[in-house]
Amino acid sequence: DTGVSQDPRHKITKRGQNVTFRCDPISEHNRLYWYRQTLGQGPEFLTYFQNEAQLEKSRLLSDRFSAERPKGSFSTLEIQRTEQGDSAMYLCASSARVVPTNTEAFFGQGTRLTVV
Amino acid sequence: AQSVTQLDSQVPVFEEAPVELRCNYSSSVSVYLFWYVQYPNQGLQLLLKYLSGSTLVKGINGFEAEFNKSQTSFHLRKPSVHISDTAEYFCAVSEGETSGSRLTFGEGTQLTVNP
Repeated sequence: DTGVSQDPRHKITKRGQNVTFRCDPISEHNRLYWYRQTLGQGPEFLTYFQNEAQLEKSRLLSDRFSAERPKGSFSTLEIQRTEQGDSAMYLCASSARVVPTNTEAFFGQGTRLTVV
Repeated sequence: AQSVTQLDSQVPVFEEAPVELRCNYSSSVSVYLFWYVQYPNQGLQLLLKYLSGSTLVKGINGFEAEFNKSQTSFHLRKPSVHISDTAEYFCAVSEGETSGSRLTFGEGTQLTVNP
């Protein structure tokens, strides 16, 4: 397994356009997380899935954002009607849920979105 | 709600000098603590983590961190840094299953190692 894969690595779009990002987690991991990182800041949690169920969404995730994880495998994050404030690095992470201890979240390389 | 404060936004040091990157957290429940490193235009790589047990945690690349519950701190240290350690370092906290194991990150510390 090559780790968490994100596609594309870079995306430049015009304001008002829709964009979709894809994340392929490590194959045996049942948890998948999306984070957003703006320049000079730490990553901020957006949402997470356990298998195909979306269990939590941050209030940062406005109604223009939607995430899916059909069949509990890869995930997509779509942003509709992009705004310049959406420009950021979008990071995906996956982990295996082991009770009772927490485990490491493995991060992808990220998708850098620039809205012009 | 959990939060993380990284006390230094930038830390410049000379090669082979020791370094400490400071991290304080707040939470109303027991937490798990992490340090991640990020190189330019890359994702995050785990350096080390504290889950339970010994408060001194050793990680990759010669880094270590000490969990201090009374001071709610988790400072990262390395006795002798190398040029290749230049990167952004993030401290993160998780409240475990009570919050779906999601991570809350600090704002990061840019470590620059000069020759």
